Amino acid sequence: DQQVKQNSPSLSVQEGRISILNCDYTNSMFDYFLWYKKYPAEGPTFLISISSIKDKNEDGRFTVFLNKSAKHLSLHIVPSQPGDSAVYFCAASNSGAGSYQLTFGKGTKLSVIP
Amino acid sequence: NAGVTQTPKFQVLKTGQSMTLQCAQDMNHNSMYWYRQDPGMGLRLIYYSASEGTTDKGEVPNGYNVSRLNKREFSLRLESAAPSQTSVYFCASTPGPQNTEAFFGQGTRLTVV
Repeated sequence: DQQVKQNSPSLSVQEGRISILNCDYTNSMFDYFLWYKKYPAEGPTFLISISSIKDKNEDGRFTVFLNKSAKHLSLHIVPSQPGDSAVYFCAASNSGAGSYQLTFGKGTKLSVIP
Repeated sequence: NAGVTQTPKFQVLKTGQSMTLQCAQDMNHNSMYWYRQDPGMGLRLIYYSASEGTTDKGEVPNGYNVSRLNKREFSLRLESAAPSQTSVYFCASTPGPQNTEAFFGQGTRLTVV
């Protein structure tokens, strides 16, 4: 039973355009969401997060949108750059349960074409 | 500032052999974690240590044991390796609960033949 789903295994975008990565979750107890970026042969690195009390969080070129009623979040990257090419993981936690367990999606591989 | 350091980076084991994966962090974080990543899968939590002296099972703990040696170090032991444990293992740390940025090591690629 996959509680965090990233239904697009891969995405290709032209440099300078917008990249939109999607994530759906099924557990209504999740109240904190994070995006991690991973390059080959490296560990994941934190990108951006959002609490369920917000519907948008922005950090430079990266914006995360949360739609609680649809149990859906998305990561927007504008403008996309070749260095953004990586695997992006969506993750969720339940702060009420102590938040020591993150549930990850399977990831979306983003390729930004110069 | 090294962050989270894992050793070794690569390891090949024969079925039934044992080994310990080492992890150390220098950020004075309270909480540490071990994950595994398999092809086409997200990261799955094996064990975690919320604070020094405590350890708890994650999603996939079978076949593993852990030790929180001190605040800095958290090791993962495979007592009798199986081919199903072929994976990339990541150690991570956070100041506290995981609704904060986690810092990951560079991973250990383990192959069990």
